[in-house]
Amino acid sequence: QVQLQQSGTELVKPASSVKISCKASGYTFTSYYMHWMRQQPGNGLEWIGWVYPGNGNTKYNHKFDGKATLTADKSSSTAYMQLSSLTSEDSAVYFCARGGNYFDYWGQGVMVTVSS
Amino acid sequence: DVVLTQSPATLSVTPGERISLSCRASESVDTYLHWYQQRPNESPRLLIKYASQSIPGIPSRFSGSGSGTDFTLSINGLELEDLSIYYCQQGNSLPRTFGAGTKLELK
Repeated sequence: QVQLQQSGTELVKPASSVKISCKASGYTFTSYYMHWMRQQPGNGLEWIGWVYPGNGNTKYNHKFDGKATLTADKSSSTAYMQLSSLTSEDSAVYFCARGGNYFDYWGQGVMVTVSS
Repeated sequence: DVVLTQSPATLSVTPGERISLSCRASESVDTYLHWYQQRPNESPRLLIKYASQSIPGIPSRFSGSGSGTDFTLSINGLELEDLSIYYCQQGNSLPRTFGAGTKLELK
């Protein structure tokens, strides 16, 4: 069965960076886009961008240009998102999700808290 | 960017009733409109794809309709486990966008 297993909770300092992971199993990793979403406390969902593990191509929501960097490692079937220059605004739950037009499988989410 | 406006923001419901949730797009998204359910402290779950197509494993009481700019998610015979937030999402253009959600609460 398809599973997306994300890394654990992160507590990070302002101005630092963090890299979170999403390990895929149960399907051909290189054949599906991997998307990332942000959900700030009490808010809805925002699309950050996608990475295509087959060739490493990426596409970002312009709102997250310079903030998020998406990569994928075919050898371990793992997608990554690095967030840089963190501020309190980046405190949120981050989800990975498989899909293209829609998102059919989601990771459990990673809570990132930015605090000094 | 395509803006999706969901209404109402909150709906007070009673088990057994039929309800309809609305999602309106700022421009046509054809039928590239999808619905998700998010229970508290859980990940979103895909309910309906391409406006009206069912998803395996999703109860048949959930149905979707619409095209262009106006869409509806219906729940026929609401159950307590359906108390959640429901989001619509468009896949017609980038960036992908979501509505702000409709929260179902117990009356």
